Amino acid sequence: AQSVTQLDSHVSVSEGTPVLLRCNYSSSYSPSLFWYVQHPNKGLQLLLKYTSAATLVKGINGFEAEFKKSETSFHLTKPSAHMSDAAEYFCVVSSNNAGNMLTFGGGTRLMVKP
Amino acid sequence: NAGVMQNPRHLVRRRGQEARLRCSPMKGHSHVYWYRQLPEEGLKFMVYLQKENIIDESGMPKERFSAEFPKEGPSILRIQQVVRGDSAAYFCASSPPWGRELLGYTFGSGTRLTVV
Repeated sequence: AQSVTQLDSHVSVSEGTPVLLRCNYSSSYSPSLFWYVQHPNKGLQLLLKYTSAATLVKGINGFEAEFKKSETSFHLTKPSAHMSDAAEYFCVVSSNNAGNMLTFGGGTRLMVKP
Repeated sequence: NAGVMQNPRHLVRRRGQEARLRCSPMKGHSHVYWYRQLPEEGLKFMVYLQKENIIDESGMPKERFSAEFPKEGPSILRIQQVVRGDSAAYFCASSPPWGRELLGYTFGSGTRLTVV
């Protein structure tokens, strides 16, 4: 079985300050991990993915995430928040033993204050 | 290269009616996945289909819900005799038959179903 826990349902930062969205996962096999962003009433956009290559993954819009196997974590970071980053963020795990099904975390709503 | 196309974007149905949600995968993608997002929740897997085959329907409710992906045409998620609890956003994703983990999944913009 696989699961994903996003530790914060809401995160609020000021524009220009760093962003940290936390994600822990569990998976019996080597997982693939993704971060998706969902803007209000929009679909899901892939930010970045980890697929057993480099543990530090760079994505779009200045986001990056680091896969830490020992901590079973895949936290999403960005050095400087922008107003347009305000959205819902989902950490997602997939593994071959789960039939490549995606398992979503509960989401973290990022709010950016001016 | 159009992305995953879902229609309609918004659908309103009265209790007891049928809802039909359509999903056209990206060109070259032969695998389709349906996910449901209830208000204030993450997405939950419903069903995984390839052309003319249901591969995994472990997330589908046992009654009233069905899905198909015919040889020609879009994938259809069908909900019969809708109830208020079916109100949700339904997302479709597609992937190529190889390298799903490498390439990720492409999601559509979703269909927001409201049952009144």
